[in-house]
Amino acid sequence: DAKTTQPNSMESNEEEPVHLPCNHSTISGTDYIHWYRQLPSQGPEYVIHGLTSNVNNRMASLAIAEDRKSSTLILHRATLRDAAVYYCILRDLNAGNMLTFGGGTRLMVKP
Amino acid sequence: GAVVSQHPSRVICKSGTSVKIECRSLDFQATTMFWYRQFPKQSLMLMATSNEGSKATYEQGVEKDKFLINHASLTLSTLTVTSAHPEDSSFYICSADGLARGRNEQFFGPGTRLTVL
Repeated sequence: DAKTTQPNSMESNEEEPVHLPCNHSTISGTDYIHWYRQLPSQGPEYVIHGLTSNVNNRMASLAIAEDRKSSTLILHRATLRDAAVYYCILRDLNAGNMLTFGGGTRLMVKP
Repeated sequence: GAVVSQHPSRVICKSGTSVKIECRSLDFQATTMFWYRQFPKQSLMLMATSNEGSKATYEQGVEKDKFLINHASLTLSTLTVTSAHPEDSSFYICSADGLARGRNEQFFGPGTRLTVL
């Protein structure tokens, strides 16, 4: 499986933008880039996904490098409720559709 | 969005007993469900892939006779931890594959915290 590398933790101030990086240098052409987040003692929650082009939704934006070897999840204005572990995951729909979770980035948001 | 429920949310049992955890897809039919477990301060680990009407596919290192998975209908998958021991204490999370409703994402349940005394 193609793997992802994320910083263990990041800190942000409330109301400021947050850029969460992810490296996936061995990504294959059929891998989608997915982001999920997990609040304490809860199941993960889907955030966003993309293949080649940048994506926006109501929760976040996803910026994908041209060579697809890295991506950045952007939270435009962090709130205290955004404090969570953010997982960047590659999903190959041709290989069982499963999600393989790495260590993720623990985002702390300061008031 | 789609809702996935789990029952019970928390269970405490004695060593040697069996525990059944239910995972329900409440508003769509999920042909594929996944079971994960998560130990404290660790990431989620996929245990098995459950397909409706067929046997589950277990990940390497997961004992299929200990973790029995049944996906008898398109809205219900169950995980039974047989003869549970303290080392099985963990947070068990299920998810439903959204591809059946045209969504490239998994919908996760809220998790079940199992404590084996």
